[in-house]
Amino acid sequence: GEDVEQSLFLSVREGDSSVINCTYTDSSSTYLYWYKQEPGAGLQLLTYIFSNMDMKQDQRLTVLLNKKDKHLSLRIADTQTGDSAIYFCAESGYGTASKLTFGTGTRLQVTL
Amino acid sequence: DARVTQTPRHKVTEMGQEVTMRCQPILGHNTVFWYRQTMMQGLELLAYFRNRAPLDDSGMPKDRFSAEMPDATLATLKIQPSEPRDSAVYFCASGLMTGNSNQPQHFGDGTRLSIL
Repeated sequence: GEDVEQSLFLSVREGDSSVINCTYTDSSSTYLYWYKQEPGAGLQLLTYIFSNMDMKQDQRLTVLLNKKDKHLSLRIADTQTGDSAIYFCAESGYGTASKLTFGTGTRLQVTL
Repeated sequence: DARVTQTPRHKVTEMGQEVTMRCQPILGHNTVFWYRQTMMQGLELLAYFRNRAPLDDSGMPKDRFSAEMPDATLATLKIQPSEPRDSAVYFCASGLMTGNSNQPQHFGDGTRLSIL
């Protein structure tokens, strides 16, 4: 079955860039996503990328996709304390409204 | 902003009781998902519907869980009888998939369920 892997924890200083990495196994994945979850809250869709793209930028967020290595990364520029949360990588096939397989989540801690 | 609405936000009940969780998907979305989040298993898909028809419920324990969509504006997830191991956060998400349009899933705030 599909498998999505992430490192569990990342700590960065305020103002630095954060890079959160994800690897996946399903070569038929068509869309890859990043969701953010703050304590006690639901999952907020940050951005997503179609598998035929290499990069997508949206304000402070940059997504890089290496389809050959099945590696996805999320870069947050100028990280702020409000970025502290758990970030989930997810993949789906057959369109953006098909079922998601999630990674374990990476807890981002932003220090002053 | 359009949102997925889940009720109740919190539920505490004793084992053996019936639990019903409700979800109102974003208006116009035709695909509804139920996920469960636990510390041990992370986020896992329980079931999902498209155009109110169940597409996949293989992640759901069949003996005690049931999911339905009585109409396009309401999805329900029931547990009967509930057990302590059902304690988790249950998320509903909705999205749109048609021949010409795809919209990614947006999540509700979840129902935090505790079974004593």
